[in-house]
Amino acid sequence: AQKVTQAQTEISVVEKEDVTLDCVYETRDTTYYLFWYKQPPSGELVFLIRRNSFDEQNEISGRYSWNFQKSTSSFNFTITASQVVDSAVYFCALSEAGNRDDKIIFGKGTRLHILP
Amino acid sequence: DTGVSQDPRHKITKRGQNVTFRCDPISEHNRLYWYRQTLGQGPEFLTYFQNEAQLEKSRLLSDRFSAERPKGSFSTLEIQRTEQGDSAMYLCASSLNSGLAKNIQYFGAGTRLSVL
Repeated sequence: AQKVTQAQTEISVVEKEDVTLDCVYETRDTTYYLFWYKQPPSGELVFLIRRNSFDEQNEISGRYSWNFQKSTSSFNFTITASQVVDSAVYFCALSEAGNRDDKIIFGKGTRLHILP
Repeated sequence: DTGVSQDPRHKITKRGQNVTFRCDPISEHNRLYWYRQTLGQGPEFLTYFQNEAQLEKSRLLSDRFSAERPKGSFSTLEIQRTEQGDSAMYLCASSLNSGLAKNIQYFGAGTRLSVL
């Protein structure tokens, strides 16, 4: 069975602080994809990143970075020097390559508040 | 290139009424997905289309729900005899079935349904 756990329901940090959002996943497939999406108050889910299970290199995009560790089944997301515009709900998600439908299983999300 | 668009953004209806939502995917995307999101939860898969063929339906999709994608372009999701438990955000996503962007789903802003 596939499952995504985001243990942090809500986080508040002061602007310019760094913040890490945790994600732990479960899957029986050896080939799978991991995602992060951002959902601002407007409601639209914004795609941030996709990683496949064979690529454990960490990735950095501007102030965003992702740490993928297969040994601990984790795919954590760090925002450096946070800004108020980063306030949103962030979802970690999983898709198993063995599923022909490519459906995505989402975690429950972490609500991030960046305080000015 | 426009993103995924959904209409209406908000719908308020009385219990027992029928409602229909529309989704226009990104133009070259051959896959289209419907998800449902309730408060404090991540989106949950409902159904998906490859071109005009509906290939999978979640058990969340009761007999009162029907989805179509008649010409492989836009899709509609109809809920008959709405119940209060149908109140949720209905999200549409689209993706390509091949290439580097394979299985990256891009989401619309959703239709928020309130059943009174």
